Amino acid sequence: NAGVMQNPRHLVRRRGQEARLRCSPMKGHSHVYWYRQLPEEGLKFMVYLQKENIIDESGMPKERFSAEFPKEGPSILRIQQVVRGDSAAYFCASSENTYSGNTIYFGEGSWLTVV
Amino acid sequence: DAKTTQPNSMESNEEEPVHLPCNHSTISGTDYIHWYRQLPSQGPEYVIHGLTSNVNNRMASLAIAEDRKSSTLILHRATLRDAAVYYCILRDAGETSGSRLTFGEGTQLTVNP
Repeated sequence: NAGVMQNPRHLVRRRGQEARLRCSPMKGHSHVYWYRQLPEEGLKFMVYLQKENIIDESGMPKERFSAEFPKEGPSILRIQQVVRGDSAAYFCASSENTYSGNTIYFGEGSWLTVV
Repeated sequence: DAKTTQPNSMESNEEEPVHLPCNHSTISGTDYIHWYRQLPSQGPEYVIHGLTSNVNNRMASLAIAEDRKSSTLILHRATLRDAAVYYCILRDAGETSGSRLTFGEGTQLTVNP
């Protein structure tokens, strides 16, 4: 059973470009989460999505960031007009449901570098 | 989200047991205690979780205090591969808040050969 798959693993973008990070959840999981880890900092929740719906985006920056989880295909975290401060590791996670006794599984992350 | 307190760092020797403590004095009755670890340049890895009773799996054991205000993650025989940051996280039962994991600073475990 494949785990949470993220790609690309590493992405370099120039300031002002767009970054698209993709996440395929574990088989059977319909709940996806995105977290960000800035250099030398802890993991911060960004957004929680179910198929075609954003459930909780309380951790998303108000501008330039968006996320989607379409009916078909992977979840996408999109960062428009990237700035150097967006350089970070972005982790996707998935779960079968939101029952607090259930497990959330993480991917290996996508490392974004903005030059 | 209920807060957890962990030591910033701990050291262990290879092949010896490691006890990683976590205090969560404001835990609510429906909060599950989850432990994750993060190796350098990798995503967080699930370790174990529990509610009231002690739990064992192939990676570790979780000992939960009777009043649930603290817990201890036990690695029975530390290996060099266990060197990581260990996070103790409370996950509540709320439909949206329960979906979030709030990561603190965690405990940096160093394993000496």
